[in-house]
Amino acid sequence: DVKVTQSSRYLVKRTGEKVFLECVQDMDHENMFWYRQDPGLGLRLIYFSYDVKMKEKGDIPEGYSVSREKKERFSLILESASTNQTSMYLCASKTPRGLETQYFGPGTRLLVL
Amino acid sequence: QKEVEQNSGPLSVPEGAIASLNCTYSDRGSQSFFWYRQYSGKSPELIMSIYSNGDKEDGRFTAQLNKASQYVSLLIRDSQPSDSATYLCASRRYNFNKFYFGSGTKLNVKP
Repeated sequence: DVKVTQSSRYLVKRTGEKVFLECVQDMDHENMFWYRQDPGLGLRLIYFSYDVKMKEKGDIPEGYSVSREKKERFSLILESASTNQTSMYLCASKTPRGLETQYFGPGTRLLVL
Repeated sequence: QKEVEQNSGPLSVPEGAIASLNCTYSDRGSQSFFWYRQYSGKSPELIMSIYSNGDKEDGRFTAQLNKASQYVSLLIRDSQPSDSATYLCASRRYNFNKFYFGSGTKLNVKP
């Protein structure tokens, strides 16, 4: 079974803080993704990575950065958290070629005060 | 226009009935399609994937794909209250990393 874990289920941060969200997968997948999910807006792609140190912007990268130093770990960084970044953050990992499917971690619900 | 469109619902069906969830997509280059179930406060979990025109069955679930009409559906037979959730439809182009998600359809199965 694919296992994707995220460092925190719930986080409360203050405006202006630097926030790190970590995601780890145990299946040696090359592709990993960060989404945020908001009511009425669905899942929106922030960044994805297709290999170590390789990344591409998604649809809403502003205010975020990412880091992929090891294949199993993909981190999302909020450089200076703002209240409009309060959201559910979901990490996903994609299986290799063939039956390419995304599997999601449990999510981190972030509240920025 | 969004890449993947779904009716937000809620769709209400009685227990034991067939629930029919629908999804349309705009990119004719899309080749892979996925249905995810998401319970409130939880992350999406994959139910089914479908790549070829026609039907694909897995237990009580049947996914249907019609590429000519750019239409994907999910049928849930013998619906149970535990099926009450939001169902997300997603698509992907071949050899592309990016997945496109619909906003989801909320399903309520009434006992």
